[in-house]
Amino acid sequence: QEQLVESGGGVVQPGRSLRLSCAASGFTFSSYGMHWVRQAPGKGLEWVGVIWYDGNNKWYADSVKGRFTISRDNSKNMLYLEMNSLRAEDTAVYYCARDRMDSSGLDVFDIWGQGTMVTVSS
Amino acid sequence: DIQMTQSPSSLSASVGDRVTITCRASQGIRNDLGWFQQKPGKAPRRLIYAASNLQSGVPSRFSGSGFGTEFTLTISSLQPEDFATYYCLQHNNYPHTFGQGTKVEVK
Repeated sequence: QEQLVESGGGVVQPGRSLRLSCAASGFTFSSYGMHWVRQAPGKGLEWVGVIWYDGNNKWYADSVKGRFTISRDNSKNMLYLEMNSLRAEDTAVYYCARDRMDSSGLDVFDIWGQGTMVTVSS
Repeated sequence: DIQMTQSPSSLSASVGDRVTITCRASQGIRNDLGWFQQKPGKAPRRLIYAASNLQSGVPSRFSGSGFGTEFTLTISSLQPEDFATYYCLQHNNYPHTFGQGTKVEVK
């Protein structure tokens, strides 16, 4: 079935880096844009950024711009989030979600991963 | 950036109650809006897409309406499994933005 599985979370010191992965299966990954969304403990959902289906366009939230980079490898059905200069406020569960980016809205944020926890602490 | 103002932030209701949650966009977003349900420790689950279309497999007691700047999620008869937090999301423009969430609690 259509599935997204995140990995790579953990505990990291402030200022360090971490790379998250999101493995897609059960659908044509290369036809979908992909988003990262995060949720700090006890808080609401925050959109982090997006990469288009071909990797040629990316957008980021101001809170992570210049520190986080989204990439993908369509040959491996993999999405990545490279997080640099991590701060305590980046502590959150990170989710990936797909987006067909068509006008119907049918396949927009319809499939999410289970999330991976990132804790930034000394 | 488009701001999504969701209200109320929380509500107390009983099984069988009709529940309405509203999201207001700071500028027009056509119908580029989804509604999501989230339970503790779980990923969000999409309930409604394109403002008013029911996600496959979601009970028909959930419905969405609206266009432009005003949107509503309605649960016609609240069931025990519906106690959760609900979010709207606009995907008309980058950055995409979520509402602040509405926690539906047992009265």
